[in-house]
Amino acid sequence: NAGVTQTPKFQVLKTGQSMTLQCAQDMNHNSMYWYRQDPGMGLRLIYYSASEGTTDKGEVPNGYNVSRLNKREFSLRLESAAPSQTSVYFCASSDSSPVAPSFGPGTRLLVL
Amino acid sequence: AQSVTQLDSQVPVFEEAPVELRCNYSSSVSVYLFWYVQYPNQGLQLLLKYLSGSTLVKGINGFEAEFNKSQTSFHLRKPSVHISDTAEYFCAVSGAGSYQLTFGKGTKLSVIP
Repeated sequence: NAGVTQTPKFQVLKTGQSMTLQCAQDMNHNSMYWYRQDPGMGLRLIYYSASEGTTDKGEVPNGYNVSRLNKREFSLRLESAAPSQTSVYFCASSDSSPVAPSFGPGTRLLVL
Repeated sequence: AQSVTQLDSQVPVFEEAPVELRCNYSSSVSVYLFWYVQYPNQGLQLLLKYLSGSTLVKGINGFEAEFNKSQTSFHLRKPSVHISDTAEYFCAVSGAGSYQLTFGKGTKLSVIP
């Protein structure tokens, strides 16, 4: 099993450009999550999907949109990238509450 | 809402010495508690979790943690660290029935040869 996979691994954007981060899991988990990690800030939840067909905002949703494409895939879209969105983005999945998500390897994003 | 405070941002320790990484939480509801480890340029890996039952929880790589409800703490311990334990450690909490996991800001453990 690959677990949680993310593409791309690295990305450089210019301010105002858009992009979609892709995430897939092969563990048949119901719930999926997007976090961002910034130095000294820990991980902060952007959006989550408790089950296929539902999405909810987390702690820092502004500037992002998500799509739960099917049970396996959960994408994160930046419509107009800003330097403040420079971060490492982690996708995660879990079976159900209590959550103990399994994390992907991360996408390192630099917005110039 | 829950919050997590990791009391030390960096902890240097000599190889084979014991280590304790401190974590305090606040919550108005019953909680589940977790410790994750992140090696350089990698994702997070679950070390251990407390859901209910025994307050002493054993995890992978020889780590253990003790849930102390009266002190709202969940400190992580290892009796003898190795160079390979050098990493960043995150404490996290979720409320019963919640899908949101709240992380602390992390503690960087540096093991000195």
